[in-house]
Amino acid sequence: GENVGLHLPTLSVQEGDNSIINCAYSNSASDYFIWYKQESGKGPQFIIDIRSNMDKRQGQRVTVLLNKTVKHLSLQIAATQPGDSAVYFCAETLGGKLIFGQGTELSVKP
Amino acid sequence: DADVTQTPRNRITKTGKRIMLECSQTKGHDRMYWYRQDPGLGLRLIYYSFDVKDINKGEISDGYSVSRQAQAKFSLSLESAIPNQTALYFCATKPGTGDYGYTFGSGTRLTVV
Repeated sequence: GENVGLHLPTLSVQEGDNSIINCAYSNSASDYFIWYKQESGKGPQFIIDIRSNMDKRQGQRVTVLLNKTVKHLSLQIAATQPGDSAVYFCAETLGGKLIFGQGTELSVKP
Repeated sequence: DADVTQTPRNRITKTGKRIMLECSQTKGHDRMYWYRQDPGLGLRLIYYSFDVKDINKGEISDGYSVSRQAQAKFSLSLESAIPNQTALYFCATKPGTGDYGYTFGSGTRLTVV
């Protein structure tokens, strides 16, 4: 069928504030999750991952939270910077395949 | 040099033409994937290959075919391009074991007119 452009969910934050991006995943059997950052014209860039036996994982300025009960992931970015402006996708792995969510566009105001 | 190289980067083609998108990798990964991205959407899986003799359909394989010519090369073909195949196409690779280690190419922007 026709491809209809959709509007991504957007999140606008002030520089220096914390950002929280949410994602609902689809399959309760998925056991590994990844957050990707995608800048315009580029491929997805790995940010942080988490396994299903964990509920929280921290990286540099980023934290991922996993709630398996409601199949929900969140990405927290501390002290958001203009360079963090991008589209963020969560992805789940199942059967050797990576399945992406819709994405959220993060806009950082200086 | 990039670990995962896609050619061409941009392509405009006419409806009904056959077109091939190439992906090559220097990662030594066994697994390779082709994804399609439309505006406002996440990446959707077209085809994937776990090794040279293995080809699997993804969620949107209709209208596409692939060839895994070698461990390092995985090409995607549109036998008869149609306008709704206008999209951004990404190739990805991954080691054969473990869940982690996906590496994406920079994408091919395909426009079918």
